[in-house]
Amino acid sequence: EVQLVESGGGLVQPGGSLRLSCAASGFTFSSYAMSWVRQAPGKGLEWVSAISGSGGSTYYADSVKGRFTISRDNSKNTLYLQMNSLRAEDTAVYYCAKGTTYDLRDHYFDYWGQGTLVTVSS
Amino acid sequence: DIQMTQSPSSLSASVGDRVTITCRASQGISNYLAWYQQKPGKVPKLLIYAASTLQSGVPSRFSGSGSGTDFTLTISSLQPEDVATYYCQKYNSAPITFGQGTRLEIK
Repeated sequence: EVQLVESGGGLVQPGGSLRLSCAASGFTFSSYAMSWVRQAPGKGLEWVSAISGSGGSTYYADSVKGRFTISRDNSKNTLYLQMNSLRAEDTAVYYCAKGTTYDLRDHYFDYWGQGTLVTVSS
Repeated sequence: DIQMTQSPSSLSASVGDRVTITCRASQGISNYLAWYQQKPGKVPKLLIYAASTLQSGVPSRFSGSGSGTDFTLTISSLQPEDVATYYCQKYNSAPITFGQGTRLEIK
């Protein structure tokens, strides 16, 4: 059974940093591209960042480019999102989501984690 | 960047009704289009990919169609458990983009 379990969310002040983790199990982690998708309270889904199966290719939404860094440790079956220079508008539930191929071809999401809430406020 | 526009933003229909939600891309995306269902307080669930391919386990009352810029999600006979917000997503290239969502309620 595929499982994705996010952690690392919490309350952080504007300008602060946070590192999210997503522990994956039930599939060959290194064979699939992964993404982070966020949802602000009461709002729609927003794709944040993606990474290929090897970690060699990364992609970012313009809204987070230069502030967020996606990475993965295939030996630990874990996906990360390092978030720096956080703003109030980054407040959201952050989901990790599994793609269906090794790279960003056909990068829709067949499994989602339960999400972790990030609140940016003073 | 390619924008995805859904219509309507919200919809109220009766049990048994045929319901159609539309998603329009600002540029052609071939059939690189997925649909998700998000029930209140729940995680998004994949319904359809490649514009018209039903994900395993999804009821057959859901169907998708379209190619290029115009796509539809149809529920052939609305059930109470279909109350949710529905999102389209284009995935032909980065940046990946979702539509703004369509909230579906029972009349």
